[in-house]
Amino acid sequence: AQRVTQPEKLLSVFKGAPVELKCNYSYSGSPELFWYVQYSRQRLQLLLRHISRESIKGFTADLNKGETSFHLKKPFAQEEDSAMYYCALSGGTGGTSYGKLTFGQGTILTVHP
Amino acid sequence: DAGVIQSPRHEVTEMGQEVTLRCKPISGHNSLFWYRQTMMRGLELLIYFNNNVPIDDSGMPEDRFSAKMPNASFSTLKIQPSEPRDSAVYFCASSFLRGAEYTGELFFGEGSRLTVL
Repeated sequence: AQRVTQPEKLLSVFKGAPVELKCNYSYSGSPELFWYVQYSRQRLQLLLRHISRESIKGFTADLNKGETSFHLKKPFAQEEDSAMYYCALSGGTGGTSYGKLTFGQGTILTVHP
Repeated sequence: DAGVIQSPRHEVTEMGQEVTLRCKPISGHNSLFWYRQTMMRGLELLIYFNNNVPIDDSGMPEDRFSAKMPNASFSTLKIQPSEPRDSAVYFCASSFLRGAEYTGELFFGEGSRLTVL
């Protein structure tokens, strides 16, 4: 079974402070992990994927298989980062879960001026 | 491309009524997903289709929910009869899944906000 846990429903920081959104997962195979973001009055969209090892809008996320975590980090938060963030897991291209994307409960990030 | 198109954007109905939500995926995509978003449970996968065939409907809450995809450009999610606890935002998303080309990126619609009184 695929499971994603985001322990914080709400997270508030001040502009310029570091931010870390936590994500833990449970999956028996080799997962692919993603972060999606939903800005106010916009569609839910892909922010980054672990396989790309990219930094998007200053955000990075490292897959830690030992701790089964995929935390999202940014060293200096900006007000425009305020949004709902979802961590998501896919079982990849194999098996019956092919293409299935399981999301966590989401974390609402608020960056205060 | 206008992206994934969902209708209606808002629906207010009374308990016991039938509700039908509609989705048009992005042209060329071969997979379609229905999700439900609530504050308590976040984004839950209800069902997804690959090449118009339902692959996993284990997230469908109960028999009151049904989904169809009669062709590659249209899908419906039906609730009959509706109950107040069905109130949520329902999202449709599409993607292109084919072996190594799979990127894991879903393209979401704007959602249908359902309120059942």
